[in-house]
Amino acid sequence: GAVVSQHPSRVICKSGTSVKIECRSLDFQATTMFWYRQFPKQSLMLMATSNEGSKATYEQGVEKDKFLINHASLTLSTLTVTSAHPEDSSFYICSARGGGANYEQYFGPGTRLTVT
Amino acid sequence: AQTVTQSQPEMSVQEAETVTLSCTYDTSENNYYLFWYKQPPSRQMILVIRQEAYKQQNATENRFSVNFQKAAKSFSLKISDSQLGDTAMYFCAFPPQGGSEKLVFGKGTKLTVNP
Repeated sequence: GAVVSQHPSRVICKSGTSVKIECRSLDFQATTMFWYRQFPKQSLMLMATSNEGSKATYEQGVEKDKFLINHASLTLSTLTVTSAHPEDSSFYICSARGGGANYEQYFGPGTRLTVT
Repeated sequence: AQTVTQSQPEMSVQEAETVTLSCTYDTSENNYYLFWYKQPPSRQMILVIRQEAYKQQNATENRFSVNFQKAAKSFSLKISDSQLGDTAMYFCAFPPQGGSEKLVFGKGTKLTVNP
């Protein structure tokens, strides 16, 4: 149980275009979803926290107009990178919580974004 | 500020041997959870073990166990009978404050298990 999927696993886009990444909880309802960015050989950096039906909470330094997050249902959250630039190239990981007090997060397999 | 420190950027161990990864953290909370996550080369984050701070008994999951020292704010991970599949990055994590749903991650320890 507790499976989280991400789509696509890899995406290449041109500078100036937008790209959408989907995160789905397959066998549970995710009350909260998280989006992380991971640079090579580094730890996970939290970008934002999203709750179903409400606006995402962004971490300090993360541009909310550039990284649009929508949590439309209890099983789907999307991250849209708008007007992508080469410096947005990174590994993006989502995770989800199903509620409960143990704070455990279930992670998706990640999306490799390359902006050319 | 709540922080997580993993002081060993890289470690290596021989197959079948035991290795311990260290983690210290800082919090003013009394009740909280601590986690060790593993990220193999596939980059899929996998929960290894979870410890509840109010439980004095150290958590154990098969070959993985923790040494939780609440007063010292230390949460080390011991891997027994290391296997080649244990080669991965290991991250220590905990919620930065009571009621927060976020997790703060350490910088990670790259563990290599040698045949």
